[in-house]
Amino acid sequence: AQSVSQHNHHVILSEAASLELGCNYSYGGTVNLFWYVQYPGQHLQLLLKYFSGDPLVKGIKGFEAEFIKSKFSFNLRKPSVQWSDTAEYFCAVNAYGSSNTGKLIFGQGTTLQVKP
Amino acid sequence: DTAVSQTPKYLVTQMGNDKSIKCEQNLGHDTMYWYKQDSKKFLKIMFSYNNKELIINETVPNRFSPKSPDKAHLNLHINSLELGDSAVYFCASSPYTGGTEAFFGQGTRLTVV
Repeated sequence: AQSVSQHNHHVILSEAASLELGCNYSYGGTVNLFWYVQYPGQHLQLLLKYFSGDPLVKGIKGFEAEFIKSKFSFNLRKPSVQWSDTAEYFCAVNAYGSSNTGKLIFGQGTTLQVKP
Repeated sequence: DTAVSQTPKYLVTQMGNDKSIKCEQNLGHDTMYWYKQDSKKFLKIMFSYNNKELIINETVPNRFSPKSPDKAHLNLHINSLELGDSAVYFCASSPYTGGTEAFFGQGTRLTVV
């Protein structure tokens, strides 16, 4: 079965530090990839998505992610975090042609805490 | 205007009760979902409906019964609530079934006591 793994469960950074959150998925076919953010007490919001084309995708709030097909990875990056980036971050995959087509399979989430 | 709205936002109830959570989307999407987020924040799909038809039914106890009166609404009814049902339930919608992103509601925090 397809799965998504986020390696960093809890990340603590100071403001202005650079961020990279890892995401790996297990599926050899075509995938659509997503990063969602969940601010405390709020719903999930889409940060960015990759469907096809340029593997480096830019999202909202200065976030970007790079799809590396050979590594089955879709890591999220931000050059300089702010206190307001404190939130839970979820990587998600939709695996075409699999038994999970049409479903978003989520990783376990990474809690990001940014210290002012 | 809220795109995907759920009611109630909080629900506290006793074991054994029956409760419903309502969801409505005004995005004109064809597909709606219910996801469950457990205490460790892990998100898992429960159901998916496309234009009122059930298309995904994960391994969910049959105490959980979704109902979609039209493609803009997907309600979740839970019978005989158990302590383990305590979680945050998110409704979501997407334009169609497939690889597109989902738009999430604010969530309903269900606490069973």
